[in-house]
Amino acid sequence: QVQLVQSGSELKKPGASVKVSCKASGYTFTSYAMNWVRQAPGQGLEWMGWINTNTGNPTYAQGFTGRFVFSLDTSVSTAYLQISSLKAEDTAVYYCAREIGNYDILTGYYKYYFDYWGQGTLVTVSS
Amino acid sequence: SSELTQDPAVSVALGQTVRITCQGDSLRSYYASWYQQKPGQAPVLVIYGKNNRPSGIPDRFSGSSSGNTASLTITGAQAEDEADYYCNSRDSSGNHRVFGTGTKVTVL
Repeated sequence: QVQLVQSGSELKKPGASVKVSCKASGYTFTSYAMNWVRQAPGQGLEWMGWINTNTGNPTYAQGFTGRFVFSLDTSVSTAYLQISSLKAEDTAVYYCAREIGNYDILTGYYKYYFDYWGQGTLVTVSS
Repeated sequence: SSELTQDPAVSVALGQTVRITCQGDSLRSYYASWYQQKPGQAPVLVIYGKNNRPSGIPDRFSGSSSGNTASLTITGAQAEDEADYYCNSRDSSGNHRVFGTGTKVTVL
């Protein structure tokens, strides 16, 4: 069965870096895009961007450029999110999510959705 | 700011029907997908495409779309349906994904 298992909670000081992992199993890792989603305490879901697991090419949402880096190790079916120069406002739960997308010829609509999610990784930034 | 707008909160009596809407220009070309999130848990896909439910999602959940509005309907709401619900689709450029602002559903 498909599973996305993320690394455990992290407590970091401001200015430090953190690397969150998302290990996939139960499917061909390079056949599906991987997305990253942030949820600050008490807030909604925020799409951070995605990485093409075939090419390794990342795309970042506005507000997630510069300090945020998506990467892969396809040999172990794992996606990574690295955040550098951590700030208190980076405190959040970070999720990875597998994405499926295609074009519905019958309706002329595109459909994209996140069918599997990791359990989330809490990153706390505090001095 | 989100390009997909949802009502912040709705309530529904146990066993009754509730509809949650998601508005955005991109919905004229892209289906919304819908996610249920309970406190302390990861989001779960409940509706995708025109009106598709993943395995294990009860058939009381259904989706529809018209113009720039997508809707998630819960017919015969149960206590366990109390949760936050988010829509997701593309932004107006079509290049990026975006989540709606979220709707908190309370079952009375």
